[in-house]
Amino acid sequence: KAGVTQTPRYLIKTRGQQVTLSCSPISGHRSVSWYQQTPGQGLQFLFEYFSETQRNKGNFPGRFSGRQFSNSRSEMNVSTLELGDSALYLCASSPEQPYEQYFGPGTRLTVT
Amino acid sequence: AQSVSQHNHHVILSEAASLELGCNYSYGGTVNLFWYVQYPGQHLQLLLKYFSGDPLVKGIKGFEAEFIKSKFSFNLRKPSVQWSDTAEYFCAVNGYTGRRALTFGSGTRLQVQP
Repeated sequence: KAGVTQTPRYLIKTRGQQVTLSCSPISGHRSVSWYQQTPGQGLQFLFEYFSETQRNKGNFPGRFSGRQFSNSRSEMNVSTLELGDSALYLCASSPEQPYEQYFGPGTRLTVT
Repeated sequence: AQSVSQHNHHVILSEAASLELGCNYSYGGTVNLFWYVQYPGQHLQLLLKYFSGDPLVKGIKGFEAEFIKSKFSFNLRKPSVQWSDTAEYFCAVNGYTGRRALTFGSGTRLQVQP
């Protein structure tokens, strides 16, 4: 099976702009989660979607949002970008059982 | 809130040395435990997992981990490391009922010298 794919792989944006990142899960996986990875804070959970519904949410401001489509593909959006949003954004997909997550290569976002 | 502690931030070993990376978590309920590895330039890969049953679990590439419930620990071991094991290792826990999200430790950077 093909792994989790994320697009784009690299992105440079300016403060105040917004950005949309995309994730395609492993075929058959209906759960998609998003994580932010930074040198200072490590890996932090953003949110999880299952069957087009947000099932869980981490402690991030409302500028971070996401959605999932009927084919399980997911997007996350960050509005009004701040310098501190520079990070590697990871998407992970999971079957319903067992709940083990498989990660994509990530999108490296740089905010200038 | 649950948390995960990895005590070793940077470990340097010579090839053929034995490895043990510590991981402790704080959560009193049922837990699922994972070790992930991130090789240089590559994405996070699942190394091994514990859901229930035998507390000694074996993963890929000769790695194993032991779940000790009384110590809230899930240490990663390998009897003999290779240069190709150079990577960052993350311990993760999914234990909060109704919250299917992984809480990660801060990671341990392993450098194996040939």
